[in-house]
Parts: sequence; C-alpha cells; structure tokens
Amino acid sequence: GAGVSQSPRYKVAKRGQDVALRCDPISGHVSLFWYQQALGQGPEFLTYFQNEAQLDKSGLPSDRFFAERPEGSVSTLKIQRTQQEDSAVYLCASSPRAQTGETQYFGPGTRLLVL
Amino acid sequence: GQNIDQPTEMTATEGAIVQINCTYQTSGFNGLFWYQQHAGEAPTFLSYNVLDGLEEKGRFSSFLSRSKGYSYLLLKELQMKDSASYLCAVPNSGGYQKVTFGIGTKLQVIP
Repeated sequence: GAGVSQSPRYKVAKRGQDVALRCDPISGHVSLFWYQQALGQGPEFLTYFQNEAQLDKSGLPSDRFFAERPEGSVSTLKIQRTQQEDSAVYLCASSPRAQTGETQYFGPGTRLLVL
Repeated sequence: GQNIDQPTEMTATEGAIVQINCTYQTSGFNGLFWYQQHAGEAPTFLSYNVLDGLEEKGRFSSFLSRSKGYSYLLLKELQMKDSASYLCAVPNSGGYQKVTFGIGTKLQVIP
C-alpha cells in the first residue's frame, strides 16, 4: 500500500516567510511524529500526535513552530517567520498504534532551505 | 532523559563483515531500534531489540546487552548498497513512542 508522503519535497524560503509542510501518513495509523534532521545528524523529535490530539510538543524549537492534525489523518507543520537556522530536512513518521516499541514508517522528508 | 553514542563514520570492504556499536543511557528501557538511512532518503526500520542477545535477519543481525547499555548492528557479506547511515534509537519511558535517535553512523562500503 501507499507509504507516508510529504509535500513539498523541497522548499526554498526567504528569511521571514511563513511555510507549511504537509504529511500524509499511512491510512489508519494512529500515531504521527514530526522530526527535524540537520545535515549529518540524526532526526530530532519535534512533536507527536495520537489521532487528532497533540500529546507532546516538547521538541518544537520556538513558538514560531506550530503543528496540527485536525481530523486525525493529514498533518501540517507550520513555521512562521522562518530563520536560517530552520534550514533542515523535516521528516514525518507514522505508526499503526500508540504503543512503545512500534516501528515508525517515515516519509521522504521536506528539505527546507531558508535564505 | 536519553543519551546515545555511536561512531560517526566507518569504512568497510565489499564482502566483509562490519559491526556498528551503540551505547545508550536511558531512564527507563523500552527496547532499542536500528534504522537505515540512505543519503537523501527516509529512515527505514531494520530491527527492534527488547531482550538480551542476538537477533538475526538475513545479512543483518542486532545484539543487545541491557546490563551494559550496549547494542551493535552486524552486517555480513557487505554490498555496495549497504553504504548508508545507521541510526540507533531508544524509545522514552513514557506511555507512547517518543524516540531519541543517535547521530547515526555513516558507513561507506568500498570495492
């Protein structure tokens, strides 16, 4: 079946612009994660949704970052007033349930470059 | 919190065996993951260990020692396509799956 998809795959933004990154998880998956991955680093947790509920947003770097999943499926990560340090790959992952030890299925990521 | 250490880079020869180590510190252990990530692509699941010992899956095996806070990923009969980053990751001790990833070990397989 279809995997996790993300759009756009690449985004170039001018400093100060707002951006919106979309994630379509695998259908029926309860859990959805957003990660930020800088070059040469591992993914860093940003936020977690269980269905439509955002249970953890402890990894969001600042109040410029906002995520939502209003109907418990598609999710959007919004970054307001982008800064150069926001340049990274933003990965979305989903898993079938909300249990510890569940495999996470990752999307291809959105590569954001802020100029 | 969680802390994970793994080498940043390794090089190995096609056809050989390579072992990628990972040490971790966690306040509550809930297993350990290994993911593979090719350059510019998404991480993909390789293994999940909860109990001590070696688990084998074809050319890839993963080992865990909970008492030592140590795991390794063993890749046999290396192929050029195994050139990738290998990410060690541990779930947190909460009620869901927040996962902390290591920096990743970039493996280069050479002819």
